[in-house]
Amino acid sequence: DTGVSQNPRHKITKRGQNVTFRCDPISEHNRLYWYRQTLGQGPEFLTYFQNEAQLEKSRLLSDRFSAERPKGSFSTLEIQRTEQGDSAMYLCASRTGDTEAFFGQGTRLTVV
Amino acid sequence: EDQVTQSPEALRLQEGESSSLNCSYTVSGLRGLFWYRQDPGKGPEFLFTLYSAGEEKEKERLKATLTKKESFLHITAPKPEDSATYLCAVRSVFSGGYNKLIFGAGTRLAVHP
Repeated sequence: DTGVSQNPRHKITKRGQNVTFRCDPISEHNRLYWYRQTLGQGPEFLTYFQNEAQLEKSRLLSDRFSAERPKGSFSTLEIQRTEQGDSAMYLCASRTGDTEAFFGQGTRLTVV
Repeated sequence: EDQVTQSPEALRLQEGESSSLNCSYTVSGLRGLFWYRQDPGKGPEFLFTLYSAGEEKEKERLKATLTKKESFLHITAPKPEDSATYLCAVRSVFSGGYNKLIFGAGTRLAVHP
């Protein structure tokens, strides 16, 4: 399967713990996005990478959130000191040029 | 500020009962309007891109249309497998400069046999 791959699919963590999610985009796609989706809402933009450079971050992305894309390939999203309000589906999408964005299956985070 | 509003929030149809979903948008310099389908617990799946008013795209029982202020997703003779949440999103020339998508909250469609 050559689609966008996200791991893990599900993560349950205790409040205050750190979590890290991984996204492997479609191989030839140089643009990578992270979105967050809560129940009953559409995805909300978090951050954008073009190759290895992080070029935009939403104000939704607090200091507890950090994202990387070393070597312009896979990307990681880390949340430090998780809070219950961080519970959501975290989606990764990739594209190239002016094409549509292709989404992964997401990582469902539950903070207890 | 760029904004997308979808209606209705939820729609229940009988199999074969055609209907339309609405997506109203306010955007500075549209660089594309996108329709996605999302099944529960899954990521959005791309359906259509529309770029200019008057444009139409079709795929099986779905047809998307675009005007200067809104888009419609027409569903003709739906089947139970069309049940999903349908998301509308816009990409703006000025959306942070990096072409992120601004999504609506979606329409939850349930098609009953």
